[in-house]
Amino acid sequence: GDSVTQMEGPVTLSEEAFLTINCTYTATGYPSLFWYVQYPGEGLQLLLKATKADDKGSNKGFEATYRKETTSFHLEKGSVQVSDSAVYFCARRSSGGSNYKLTFGKGTLLTVNP
Amino acid sequence: GAGVSQTPSNKVTEKGKYVELRCDPISGHTALYWYRQSLGQGPEFLIYFQGTGAADDSGLPNDRFFAVRPEGSVSTLKIQRTERGDSAVYLCASSRQREENEQFFGPGTRLTVL
Repeated sequence: GDSVTQMEGPVTLSEEAFLTINCTYTATGYPSLFWYVQYPGEGLQLLLKATKADDKGSNKGFEATYRKETTSFHLEKGSVQVSDSAVYFCARRSSGGSNYKLTFGKGTLLTVNP
Repeated sequence: GAGVSQTPSNKVTEKGKYVELRCDPISGHTALYWYRQSLGQGPEFLIYFQGTGAADDSGLPNDRFFAVRPEGSVSTLKIQRTERGDSAVYLCASSRQREENEQFFGPGTRLTVL
């Protein structure tokens, strides 16, 4: 079935460091891929998305590229800030008739220290 | 505008009791979803409503779980004879009519079964 595997945390970085959080997905169909972020005390928010191979999603300095050949959608940011501290979830949309359903990874806790 | 709201934000109950969790979607969103997020895990799909009807309830873990959306807006997730394993954060999301539209998440209800 559909699944998403993402890098386990926690990840602790200093401000302005480079961030990568790895994410791979099962290659069932051609799913849309997402990164969601959950800031402390808040609900899940869509950070970025990509709907087809080689698409690059970007938002707030974060980027992720849909790589069909490696079934990956790694999240990157060149210079993290303290305000980026949050839990990050990689997700895929199911294919075919269940395309309303999101499947999430376990989440990666990122802490950025000043 | 107002986002998805969920009440209560926290619910503590005793094993064997009945609980109801409420979700108010974004006005005009016809699709509504419930997910469950256990500690250290990503959200897992429970049920999807399109309008008043449950289009897919395949994620409900057993027949103690039931959800309704009688007027196509507010939804209630009902759990009978609660068990300690039901402890989790229950998330609600809503989206516009088309399934592939972005899902907007509420802050969740944290359920603790003692």
